[in-house]
Amino acid sequence: DGGITQSPKYLFRKEGQNVTLSCEQNLNHDAMYWYRQDPGQGLRLIYYSQIVNDFQKGDIAEGYSVSREKKESFPLTVTSAQKNPTAFYLCASRSGLALMDEQFFGPGTRLTVL
Amino acid sequence: GDSVTQMEGPVTLSEEAFLTINCTYTATGYPSLFWYVQYPGEGLQLLLKATKADDKGSNKGFEATYRKETTSFHLEKGSVQVSDSAVYFCALSDGTSSASKIIFGSGTRLSIRP
Repeated sequence: DGGITQSPKYLFRKEGQNVTLSCEQNLNHDAMYWYRQDPGQGLRLIYYSQIVNDFQKGDIAEGYSVSREKKESFPLTVTSAQKNPTAFYLCASRSGLALMDEQFFGPGTRLTVL
Repeated sequence: GDSVTQMEGPVTLSEEAFLTINCTYTATGYPSLFWYVQYPGEGLQLLLKATKADDKGSNKGFEATYRKETTSFHLEKGSVQVSDSAVYFCALSDGTSSASKIIFGSGTRLSIRP
């Protein structure tokens, strides 16, 4: 089945540690996105990538980094510079950039900083 | 810039009640409009979409009509079920930038009482 996988589902980290969240898609989509969702809140865009080896900052990129070495993979690293990293992280992909193209979402990773 | 405003929740209804969740948008162009649903602990799923004025999107008994004159895309369902309890997000496809990002509203939590 085609879709987006995120791993792990739950992640715990100590303060001061970097952690990498995985996102893989087998939909052959060009564009991929990372969002952060805080309890009871909407989605905030962290980074997005329209094509391999290219990515752009979203609205809240500080303290995060990404890479896009393969079309199907878009890992997100939460660095120690992120002051409040505890949140639910959602990865999404999109087949193209036409206005009618919707995003497909993964199941999310819940990160907790201890 | 483009934006989406949706009614604040939580919205609590009894089973079989009529549902309306209001959504209005601001856009300089002609965006596509979407409704996504998020069940507890999961990612977002596309519920329905409309790509031009007067289009009606529908799925699983939910409907929404793209009203350009009132810049609205209200979500409706004639008879809700307990299984409809979730968070609903209105969104638009922003065509003003080269990235054509999707902009999400803040979400409306819906709870259905048996």
